[in-house]
Amino acid sequence: SYVLTQPPSVSVAPGQTARITCGGNNIGSKSVHWYQQKPGQAPVLVVYDDSDRPSGIPERFSGSNSGNTATLTISRVEAGDEADYYCQVWDSSSDHPGVVFGGGTKLTVL
Amino acid sequence: EVQLVQSGAEVKKPGESLKISCKGSGYSFTSYWIGWVRQMPGKGLEWMGIIYPGDSDTRYSPSFQGQVTISADKSISTAYLQWSSLKASDTAMYYCASGPGSSSIRYFDLWGRGTLVTVSS
Repeated sequence: SYVLTQPPSVSVAPGQTARITCGGNNIGSKSVHWYQQKPGQAPVLVVYDDSDRPSGIPERFSGSNSGNTATLTISRVEAGDEADYYCQVWDSSSDHPGVVFGGGTKLTVL
Repeated sequence: EVQLVQSGAEVKKPGESLKISCKGSGYSFTSYWIGWVRQMPGKGLEWMGIIYPGDSDTRYSPSFQGQVTISADKSISTAYLQWSSLKASDTAMYYCASGPGSSSIRYFDLWGRGTLVTVSS
């Protein structure tokens, strides 16, 4: 089955740029989606189709995807961005097509 | 308002059955996939399965195939997740979420608040 690999944690100072990676075999050929989950809350979609933002999501959130790595970039990080972030794809390449989530990355704002 | 409203928290004993629900409103329920996602305490998101209420096309994660049943009643815009015999390891938060897609879901852009299921003797 298809595996998405994320770093367990990323730390960044306020005002700096956070980059959260999501690795997968030839992930650049898939559409990658990103979710933000704050403690005690449901996940929220922050980037879809590699780099598009749903309405209401700040422009500070952006995404890219190429080769074996997709990246969620958060510019001018704020304390309120502290959360867990998950990448997701639809894997149609295996015997059992389905949704795949990465393991999640905890973003800490120092 | 576009939303998914999930049923309330449940406390069950091992071996009991359970059916939790997820009601959609404010959008065309039959035109979007509904998925179920498990989150065990302190852990990440796990995809369980999806259903397309328009025609009841249902897909399961291999990890959950045979362990749960996903269904939908389009007449009342409600999707369900059910267990026939709960285990302690089913203790988790369960989210329903909807999203677009033609032959399969692409992403989840609308989430319910979650249903906490606790299984304990």
